[in-house]
Amino acid sequence: QKEVEQNSGPLSVPEGAIASLNCTYSDRGSQSFFWYRQYSGKSPELIMSIYSNGDKEDGRFTAQLNKASQYVSLLIRDSQPSDSATYLCAVKIGDDKIIFGKGTRLHILP
Amino acid sequence: DGGITQSPKYLFRKEGQNVTLSCEQNLNHDAMYWYRQDPGQGLRLIYYSQIVNDFQKGDIAEGYSVSREKKESFPLTVTSAQKNPTAFYLCASSINRGGLAGNTIYFGEGSWLTVV
Repeated sequence: QKEVEQNSGPLSVPEGAIASLNCTYSDRGSQSFFWYRQYSGKSPELIMSIYSNGDKEDGRFTAQLNKASQYVSLLIRDSQPSDSATYLCAVKIGDDKIIFGKGTRLHILP
Repeated sequence: DGGITQSPKYLFRKEGQNVTLSCEQNLNHDAMYWYRQDPGQGLRLIYYSQIVNDFQKGDIAEGYSVSREKKESFPLTVTSAQKNPTAFYLCASSINRGGLAGNTIYFGEGSWLTVV
């Protein structure tokens, strides 16, 4: 059974600080990785995708991928109260399905 | 507007009833997915389809059925065999071609199903 693991949190971060979210996955052959943000009662929305080892930056968000360690992370700089949400890590398994972790709840403290 | 439309947004099911959730997309995406989310939990894959007239079971397919007769449509039926169907159901789609970027999935707004 292929798995995606995340710490459920809640992770509390002061406003303006960096929030760091982590995810590990079990399928060594995976090549596509995604971070989604989900507000309570809403559907997930894509924040970033990453396919190559290293960092990918988009505004205040940076995704980091380390395939050797089977680890992907999301950094949120200058955290804002509107960043308070659940963050879902997703991984494409082979050429087939996309599976999700259980998500990390993030609270930004004003 | 292009997007993924799920209906109904809220649905109540009586014990022993089958209900069907609709999912339509006009994005010309090849692949479509159904996920279930329970309160405070992550997304679990029910069924997925990469092409018309073909679909595969996900991790929790028991008590559910799907069809993919058209590229744009992927309805999910929650049968009476599903003993605990109360959940938030999410339909998603992806291009599924054109390289790794085609793997990105996008979601509809979801359907809330409650058993009464």
